Amino acid sequence: QKEVEQNSGPLSVPEGAIASLNCTYSDRGSQSFFWYRQYSGKSPELIMFIYSNGDKEDGRFTAQLNKASQYVSLLIRDSQPSDSATYLCAVNRDNYGQNFVFGPGTRLSVLP
Amino acid sequence: NAGVMQNPRHLVRRRGQEARLRCSPMKGHSHVYWYRQLPEEGLKFMVYLQKENIIDESGMPKERFSAEFPKEGPSILRIQQVVRGDSAAYFCASSPLADSNTEAFFGQGTRLTVV
Repeated sequence: QKEVEQNSGPLSVPEGAIASLNCTYSDRGSQSFFWYRQYSGKSPELIMFIYSNGDKEDGRFTAQLNKASQYVSLLIRDSQPSDSATYLCAVNRDNYGQNFVFGPGTRLSVLP
Repeated sequence: NAGVMQNPRHLVRRRGQEARLRCSPMKGHSHVYWYRQLPEEGLKFMVYLQKENIIDESGMPKERFSAEFPKEGPSILRIQQVVRGDSAAYFCASSPLADSNTEAFFGQGTRLTVV
């Protein structure tokens, strides 16, 4: 079993819809969870991170964490064509440092 | 405040040559992380360094790869005797704290092509 799993996509949603991106992880001791966005040929950009069970909202983005189910998700409301990118789920297993385990990423395509 | 600076942005090396990738963390950041992204694959952790110390090198290949972060100057990822399979994007990230809930900022990456 891979440590961090994501559907590779592409996930296609119409403009204005809600995009739902999912991530599961295998290490129950994982501490914090990050969502990065990566445009083709560019560096990852942090969208948000979460470390407590429940929801965390930032603008159009909501991260959801369920440690019992080892599941973290990212919802993007009012999706825009500019949101089309690969979304990377990153899990930080340690209390010390930022040595992430990244998932393979989900390609999102928002159709105008 | 300049972001994480990596150079060169693109590097072409012939098989057997050495590649040196540089990373200057954001001002005030003393924690540096190197990741490799192979074509059509996810990011893989390589090494975590603090000034003059290697904290975690569990992702580093056992041979040909080394990393350092000296007291003065940028962090260097060195690949000796490069092979075609080393062709990838190498990203550096930095953070100000070791706290696992602190954001790490990524540089623009160095795209290494081995011919």
